[in-house]
Amino acid sequence: GAVVSQHPSWVICKSGTSVKIECRSLDFQATTMFWYRQFPKQSLMLMATSNEGSKATYEQGVEKDKFLINHASLTLSTLTVTSAHPEDSSFYICSARDQRTGGLPQHFGDGTRLSIL
Amino acid sequence: QQQVKQSPQSLIVQKGGISIINCAYENTAFDYFPWYQQFPGKGPALLIAIRPDVSEKKEGRFTISFNKSAKQFSLHIMDSQPGDSATYFCAARSFNTGTASKLTFGTGTRLQVTL
Repeated sequence: GAVVSQHPSWVICKSGTSVKIECRSLDFQATTMFWYRQFPKQSLMLMATSNEGSKATYEQGVEKDKFLINHASLTLSTLTVTSAHPEDSSFYICSARDQRTGGLPQHFGDGTRLSIL
Repeated sequence: QQQVKQSPQSLIVQKGGISIINCAYENTAFDYFPWYQQFPGKGPALLIAIRPDVSEKKEGRFTISFNKSAKQFSLHIMDSQPGDSATYFCAARSFNTGTASKLTFGTGTRLQVTL
């Protein structure tokens, strides 16, 4: 089956640093990837849609300059949390659409737990 | 309206029992309804999905019932097992030709299956 890999799975860093999270589709090409944020015991909230070769589309209320998204190839999208602060601590999950199946179902990575001290 | 309402928030079922989770939506443009299972510290995994032209879909112990006129759909887990203990999310997709279609998630149901 289609596999989406996220790296790192867990990161702890000091306030003010920038953190990059990678999302890779391992056995399929994904023109579109999605980035979600999930707080404890809550649902997944879509942050942005990442399109290969073009600018990401951000959901209302998500700071573009805070959460930088780059989708440079058909198998890799990155999310960079810039100047991270404790309130950015959360579980970040990426998802990818498989072109071969018309984008359904959407495949999810195992998430990255970000803790900002 | 893009909301998908999910209930109950939590559910405790005895081993061997039936777990039932319900979702309701308002947007008639939704055309695909998946259910995801999420274990702590992991990403969601697709369990089963249905399109609105089908009233029921069964895969093993998991069944989706879909009521298009009522705009409701539900997940039934038969013969629930302790290994089914997880958080379940319903979702709905609205297809947009101009932009990438997106999933809207329900609020989640924490299922605990007891021995």
